[in-house]
Amino acid sequence: GQNIDQPTEMTATEGAIVQINCTYQTSGFNGLFWYQQHAGEAPTFLSYNVLDGLEEKGRFSSFLSRSKGYSYLLLKELQMKDSASYLCAVRESNDYKLSFGAGTTVTVRA
Amino acid sequence: GAVVSQHPSRVICKSGTSVKIECRSLDFQATTMFWYRQFPKQSLMLMATSNEGSKATYEQGVEKDKFLINHASLTLSTLTVTSAHPEDSSFYICSARGGLAGGLYNEQFFGPGTRLTVL
Repeated sequence: GQNIDQPTEMTATEGAIVQINCTYQTSGFNGLFWYQQHAGEAPTFLSYNVLDGLEEKGRFSSFLSRSKGYSYLLLKELQMKDSASYLCAVRESNDYKLSFGAGTTVTVRA
Repeated sequence: GAVVSQHPSRVICKSGTSVKIECRSLDFQATTMFWYRQFPKQSLMLMATSNEGSKATYEQGVEKDKFLINHASLTLSTLTVTSAHPEDSSFYICSARGGLAGGLYNEQFFGPGTRLTVL
């Protein structure tokens, strides 16, 4: 089985930085993904980590520590359009199935 | 590239009827397609994994006779909700992965989802 935890909600102001944490306990590990999902829409891929460390992609960065079962997604220079749900997902094996956390709803305020 | 479409985007049906949802990979051949269900304010729950030309693999607790999956080609998978009931009302999302379209990560590309409402 798998246990993937992330906070339910976060609020931040425009231009600020927000860090969304994700902890996982899974029987195997073959990569961690972050997706963004706007209400009523499909998730869109943001980042992928399989080795420890920080991956930076423009305003978004993702960090992974496999020994701690921990990842975070960092959103910098927040914009109103960043208001969405952010999903942490773990791939446990080579069968490409993903197990998703419940998602963190980020609200960006002016 | 790597676009996945779903049809219909919304469907309302009467209790007891069957509904078919199509998932298509538009610009790549999908080795595997996945079907998820998402209830309001909850995360995606994997229902089944579908490989072209073979039977789908269902997750524990998902009734294979109720949720029929057909993956007839490398670009099309269908999910049929048979004898739908109000509790089947949900957001159904498919995703697809293909060796070439997946890039370095073989990530899943998601369709836009189908909102099913059963009256």
